[in-house]
Amino acid sequence: QQQVKQSPQSLIVQKGGISIINCAYENTAFDYFPWYQQFPGKGPALLIAIRPDVSEKKEGRFTISFNKSAKQFSLHIMDSQPGDSATYFCAARTYNFNKFYFGSGTKLNVKP
Amino acid sequence: EAQVTQNPRYLITVTGKKLTVTCSQNMNHEYMSWYRQDPGLGLRQIYYSMNVEVTDKGDVPEGYKVSRKEKRNFPLILESPSPNQTSLYFCASSLGRGLGQPQHFGDGTRLSIL
Repeated sequence: QQQVKQSPQSLIVQKGGISIINCAYENTAFDYFPWYQQFPGKGPALLIAIRPDVSEKKEGRFTISFNKSAKQFSLHIMDSQPGDSATYFCAARTYNFNKFYFGSGTKLNVKP
Repeated sequence: EAQVTQNPRYLITVTGKKLTVTCSQNMNHEYMSWYRQDPGLGLRQIYYSMNVEVTDKGDVPEGYKVSRKEKRNFPLILESPSPNQTSLYFCASSLGRGLGQPQHFGDGTRLSIL
């Protein structure tokens, strides 16, 4: 059973548009929610991360929105660019055991 | 250059033939971890290590072994590989469990077990 549910599986966005990827979880022991970006043939790389006591975090064109009561968090990519075309994974961590759980991934294609 | 190095990058082998995938990091990181990536399932944690001689099971440890005899190395061992272990494997490391300490991933090892 997937501990972190991610949607959509794939996403096509026009250049300049907003890409939105959503994740949901149930385990209230999670204390850290990172997003990773993965290009073909490469390992995932940390993009941005948030703690559950913060509702929003912005870094450049990338924003995480976090809704603790709904147990949901999302990644927004503003002004999406073709270079953003990649697979994105949300994840969650349990502090006590430092175990990580990943979503199933979203393949983003930004059309020029 | 700070990096996590995995070897081999690709391997095709047969059922039952023991294999080891090596992982080495040059960042003096305490935490290391192995994941497997399968289509539609994302990354699933196999084993992790908080420090030398300290290892623990992740979400899918069955059929795998690890050891952490030195801080920089964290090999993944498949004693008797089976076709359901065909996957893309990633090793990762981080300084510790602090929130500002991201995991750094290697470029992956693609294993095919026939």
